[in-house]
Amino acid sequence: LAKTTQPISMDSYEGQEVNITCSHNNIATNDYITWYQQFPSQGPRFIIQGYKTKVTNEVASLFIPADRKSSTLSLPRVSLSDTAVYYCLVFFSGAGSYQLTFGKGTKLSVIP
Amino acid sequence: DTAVSQTPKYLVTQMGNDKSIKCEQNLGHDTMYWYKQDSKKFLKIMFSYNNKELIINETVPNRFSPKSPDKAHLNLHINSLELGDSAVYFCASSQYGNTIYFGEGSWLTVV
Repeated sequence: LAKTTQPISMDSYEGQEVNITCSHNNIATNDYITWYQQFPSQGPRFIIQGYKTKVTNEVASLFIPADRKSSTLSLPRVSLSDTAVYYCLVFFSGAGSYQLTFGKGTKLSVIP
Repeated sequence: DTAVSQTPKYLVTQMGNDKSIKCEQNLGHDTMYWYKQDSKKFLKIMFSYNNKELIINETVPNRFSPKSPDKAHLNLHINSLELGDSAVYFCASSQYGNTIYFGEGSWLTVV
């Protein structure tokens, strides 16, 4: 069972780059890493997903080192609207046991 | 158009009652889930169905019974509600092994 660990909270000023790291020491070969954003009173919203190295989309980048025991979500130039809780999810993709373990979430507060 | 929709959004009920939360997805996915988010904001999976077959059944009281009439629907029925059942319940769906998409949540308050 892949277990994830991430910081409970982070603060950042507007315009700065924010990096949130998730540890997943026992990630398996076929596991993917996915990050979600959650605003109050809303469901988690998909941000980005990756398997190895680096993935970039229009809102974020995801860095995964070679050993895959951690991953870092990078949010460029955050704004007040990026204040939310960010969750890291590791899931197994393949036949057999199918585990879905969310991290406990990192509450990001963006300060003007 | 809402991809994963669940009803009701808010539900207040008394202890001992039986209630259901319905979920529908129009994404054509073959897998659906129920998650529970407690007051500490931890997201824990409860159940998962793939093509109407139960594939994940975490340690959940048997008062909770999921039902999947077809691939697009996964309902959650809760018997004999207890105070500790108060939480936000999220329905979600995915194509098996791929990105999971969540509904907006159902806020259950047991009084």
